[in-house]
Amino acid sequence: GENVEQHPSTLSVQEGDSAVIKCTYSDSASNYFPWYKQELGKRPQLIIDIRSNVGEKKDQRIAVTLNKTAKHFSLHITETQPEDSAVYFCAALWGGYQKVTFGTGTKLQVIP
Amino acid sequence: DSGVTQTPKHLITATGQRVTLRCSPRSGDLSVYWYQQSLDQGLQFLIQYYNGEERAKGNILERFSAQQFPDLHSELNLSSLELGDSALYFCASSVSLDGNQPQHFGDGTRLSIL
Repeated sequence: GENVEQHPSTLSVQEGDSAVIKCTYSDSASNYFPWYKQELGKRPQLIIDIRSNVGEKKDQRIAVTLNKTAKHFSLHITETQPEDSAVYFCAALWGGYQKVTFGTGTKLQVIP
Repeated sequence: DSGVTQTPKHLITATGQRVTLRCSPRSGDLSVYWYQQSLDQGLQFLIQYYNGEERAKGNILERFSAQQFPDLHSELNLSSLELGDSALYFCASSVSLDGNQPQHFGDGTRLSIL
């Protein structure tokens, strides 16, 4: 099966700074990598995703990069704001894109 | 609002009991995924149904089972409950069979075993 490692487990940044969260995966056949944001007590929400035929994808202050050779992908948040504080999960889809393995999550705290 | 409805929101029961969690997917979505989120195990994929058929299994215990009905709503049945089953159970829906389309999560059912 797929194994996804996510680092760091906690991250504190000053408002306005950038935050980077990194994930590695083991199954070279994985081709879809979504990122979810989960606020305390709420459901995970998809914030950005990337497919293997793309190296980078950007949506306003959020970007994701993918290195298939090295089997790692990263979430970049620029100009962080207090409302970015949440737990972020990466994930990789495998098994014919029907099974999903999540990373262990990164608790991001943006300090005003 | 994701359009995915889960009931009940909270469930408190005792060890050894059986419960049923319900999920109604977004209109038009044929795939339903079930996940368990606990403090020590994180987010774990349990099972996927597509248009009424089981299509993928993850870390689902034998005491757990699920089904998807003709109207596409899904139920997750948990039996012989143990303390360790206390968790937040999410369902998510997607338009396609393949997981490489966005999954939309419901608000979850919080299960507490006493």
